[in-house]
Amino acid sequence: DAGVIQSPRHEVTEMGQEVTLRCKPISGHDYLFWYRQTMMRGLELLIYFNNNVPIDDSGMPEDRFSAKMPNASFSTLKIQPSEPRDSAVYFCASSFRGQTGTQYFGPGTRLTVL
Amino acid sequence: AQKITQTQPGMFVQEKEAVTLDCTYDTSDPSYGLFWYKQPSSGEMIFLIYQGSYDQQNATEGRYSLNFQKARKSANLVISASQLGDSAMYFCAMRRFTGGGNKLTFGTGTQLKVEL
Repeated sequence: DAGVIQSPRHEVTEMGQEVTLRCKPISGHDYLFWYRQTMMRGLELLIYFNNNVPIDDSGMPEDRFSAKMPNASFSTLKIQPSEPRDSAVYFCASSFRGQTGTQYFGPGTRLTVL
Repeated sequence: AQKITQTQPGMFVQEKEAVTLDCTYDTSDPSYGLFWYKQPSSGEMIFLIYQGSYDQQNATEGRYSLNFQKARKSANLVISASQLGDSAMYFCAMRRFTGGGNKLTFGTGTQLKVEL
């Protein structure tokens, strides 16, 4: 089975531009998570969905960040407008409620905002 | 509130030796799960091993084992017969089973370097 798929893998953009990160979770998983990882702050949970519904967005840093999950197989994280301090690796992860609830991570998107 | 503490920012081990990475946790929930992830320099987060709070035996997965001491609230990862490919950052994480959804709380990680 395919794992979590993220695109793009790398994104370089200029300050003020809109950035959209994409994620396809593992088929059958009912939870989807967006994380951000930086050297200074480590791994931060931004938002998570259950059955396509946002459950907890308390980690979203500002109104510039938004996330959607229009269906069970697709989610986006959008930053508009982007700022240099948004530079980080953004991970998407998915899990299934049953059993252990282990989260499986995508390869990440490395975002650089110039 | 939950908290995961990894007190070793960096560890060195000789190839073929065993190494223990420390993890302590703090929760008032009676039911929870503990996870270890590996993050090599290439950046991906790889799930290694899981331990449930009610599991009677310590979890094992190949060369990985989890030394779970519930009373001490510790869940140390033991890697036996270290290999050069084990050099990576290792994260401990915890999930509550009561009301926490599937959220994980992560520690700050331990950087492991395996030497010849």
